[in-house]
Amino acid sequence: GAVVSQHPSWVICKSGTSVKIECRSLDFQATTMFWYRQFPKQSLMLMATSNEGSKATYEQGVEKDKFLINHASLTLSTLTVTSAHPEDSSFYICSARQGARNEQFFGPGTRLTVL
Amino acid sequence: AQSVTQLDSQVPVFEEAPVELRCNYSSSVSVYLFWYVQYPNQGLQLLLKYLSGSTLVESINGFEAEFNKSQTSFHLRKPSVHISDTAEYFCAVCGLEGAQKLVFGQGTRLTINP
Repeated sequence: GAVVSQHPSWVICKSGTSVKIECRSLDFQATTMFWYRQFPKQSLMLMATSNEGSKATYEQGVEKDKFLINHASLTLSTLTVTSAHPEDSSFYICSARQGARNEQFFGPGTRLTVL
Repeated sequence: AQSVTQLDSQVPVFEEAPVELRCNYSSSVSVYLFWYVQYPNQGLQLLLKYLSGSTLVESINGFEAEFNKSQTSFHLRKPSVHISDTAEYFCAVCGLEGAQKLVFGQGTRLTINP
């Protein structure tokens, strides 16, 4: 149980295009989902917290207009990187939490490369 | 707010040797503590967690961690490592209240040499 998937696992795009990453909780309802960014050989940095049906809460320094987050259902959250540039290249990881449970379940990550 | 410090960025050890990965945290409130493992190009997998109760927690693959409140530490140990334990290990903490956001340490790369 408690499986989280991400799609795509790897994406390469041209500078200026937008990329959408999906995060799904496969066998539970995720009231809260988190989006992280991880640069090579570095730790995970929380970008935003999203609760189903409400606007995401972004961490300081994260541009909400560049990283659009939608949490339209209890099993799906999407992160759209708008007008992507090479500096947005990174490993994006989502996690999901069920209700008030204290554990987050992580997806396998999406590697974004912007040319 | 919480913070986590993993004192060693890299730890090389020989196979079957013991290992300790250090983790210290800072928080003004009570916390939950976690260790996650990340294999190359993969997401994070929960290794073990401390929520309450016994301060010594164990994983199914031989790792254990001990919560030491006075020293604000949650060091990870394994008495005998295997080549397959080679990975990046992250210590994380979250407060008991509010959004319960995870704060990660910088990570420790464990390399097992034959």
